[in-house]
Amino acid sequence: QKEVEQDPGPLSVPEGAIVSLNCTYSNSAFQYFMWYRQYSRKGPELLMYTYSSGNKEDGRFTAQVDKSSKYISLFIRDSQPSDSATYLCAMSARGGADGLTFGKGTHLIIQP
Amino acid sequence: KAGVTQTPRYLIKTRGQQVTLSCSPISGHRSVSWYQQTPGQGLQFLFEYFSETQRNKGNFPGRFSGRQFSNSRSEMNVSTLELGDSALYLCASSLGGAANEKLFFGSGTQLSVL
Repeated sequence: QKEVEQDPGPLSVPEGAIVSLNCTYSNSAFQYFMWYRQYSRKGPELLMYTYSSGNKEDGRFTAQVDKSSKYISLFIRDSQPSDSATYLCAMSARGGADGLTFGKGTHLIIQP
Repeated sequence: KAGVTQTPRYLIKTRGQQVTLSCSPISGHRSVSWYQQTPGQGLQFLFEYFSETQRNKGNFPGRFSGRQFSNSRSEMNVSTLELGDSALYLCASSLGGAANEKLFFGSGTQLSVL
């Protein structure tokens, strides 16, 4: 079992829909949780950064962390065609000695 | 403010050769991390440098090495290339003052080993 599981998709939704992206993990030491967006032939771009459990909102994006279930989510409201990309979850333990552990990414397609 | 810059963008090598990749971090950032991205394994942590010293290391063989210069620029070297080393190599920088800081990635170097 990989440390971080993420459905690769593709996930295709119509423009304006609410998108839900999820990751599960097995390492209870993870305390820092991130979501990155990666366009083709580009590096990952940091979208959301959260510590421990709870919710965080930034514009159209909301990140949720449920440490008791080892489950994190990213919600995108009013989705746009420009949101079409691969979304990667990432996490790390306190101290960060092992760097970030990434999910393999979910390919998201927003249909105009 | 300029982002993380990686050169070259594309590289083609043959098995057995060695390669050096370069990374210039965001101005003021003192930590540089390297990651390997492949379709099969996703993104995997190679190592992190801070103040010219390797601070953390992932689970890669010794053929993968790096260094950091006094201006925080970093290089990564892979010796005796294997076909499986074909990947996108990503560099990320952070301020470096504490663990678990936000990482900012460059666009990567796409390495193809023939």
